[in-house]
Amino acid sequence: GQNIDQPTEMTATEGAIVQINCTYQTSGFNGLFWYQQHAGEAPTFLSYNVLDGLEEKGRFSSFLSRSKGYSYLLLKELQMKDSASYLCAAHSGYALNFGKGTSLLVTP
Amino acid sequence: GAGVSQSPRYKVAKRGQDVALRCDPISGHVSLFWYQQALGQGPEFLTYFQNEAQLDKSGLPSDRFFAERPEGSVSTLKIQRTQQEDSAVYLCASFRLAGTTDTQYFGPGTRLTVL
Repeated sequence: GQNIDQPTEMTATEGAIVQINCTYQTSGFNGLFWYQQHAGEAPTFLSYNVLDGLEEKGRFSSFLSRSKGYSYLLLKELQMKDSASYLCAAHSGYALNFGKGTSLLVTP
Repeated sequence: GAGVSQSPRYKVAKRGQDVALRCDPISGHVSLFWYQQALGQGPEFLTYFQNEAQLDKSGLPSDRFFAERPEGSVSTLKIQRTQQEDSAVYLCASFRLAGTTDTQYFGPGTRLTVL
C-alpha cells in the first residue's frame, strides 16, 4: 500500500526559512517528487530525489532518506509568492502517489 | 511547444449526465496520466497510457469512468451518469519517455461540478 504524510498547514514570515516534512511508506519506491501548487492552478515541478542526501536548487532544497522513508523541502528567503500548497509524491511503478499537500502561508 | 492543455477548464453537469474531458499532452510525450484531485487533497492516480496503450486503469473509481487515447496523443476521460461524488478537479499529466523518472508536466485541470 501507499501512505504519504505531510503537515496540513504551515505559516512562516517573509524572509525566513521553512522546512516541510514528508514521510512515506511506499512499495516499489523509486524516488520522491516535490510539487508546488497555487490555488486553481496545476502542480509545478520543484524537485526529484532518487538518492539519499540534499539537493539544492536556488532558494529551494530537498532532502531524502530512503532508509527512514523521509523527505523534506527547505524554502529559504521566503517570498509572499511562495504561499501555496506543497505536494510530496512518492514515485513507484507508473504513477506518483501524492500526499494531501501542505498549505504554506507566508506573512509580511 | 506549449504545455499540457485541458478542456473545458470548468464543467457543470447535472447528476446523471455524461461528461467528456479532453487532454492535449506536450507533443511527443509518450506517457500520459489522469489524476483526480478533490478539494483540499492531493491528486489521486486514475489511469496511465503509454502511447495508445492503457497500461494501468486501477485507479478508476468505477466502471462509469472510461479513458482513451486512440492515436497516442490526445486523451479523453469520460464519466457516465455523473454523481455528486465525482465533483473534483481532473488533472492530466504527461512526460516524455516511458518507464523512467522523467518529470511529469501537469495541465491546468478541469474543474467538474456535479449538481
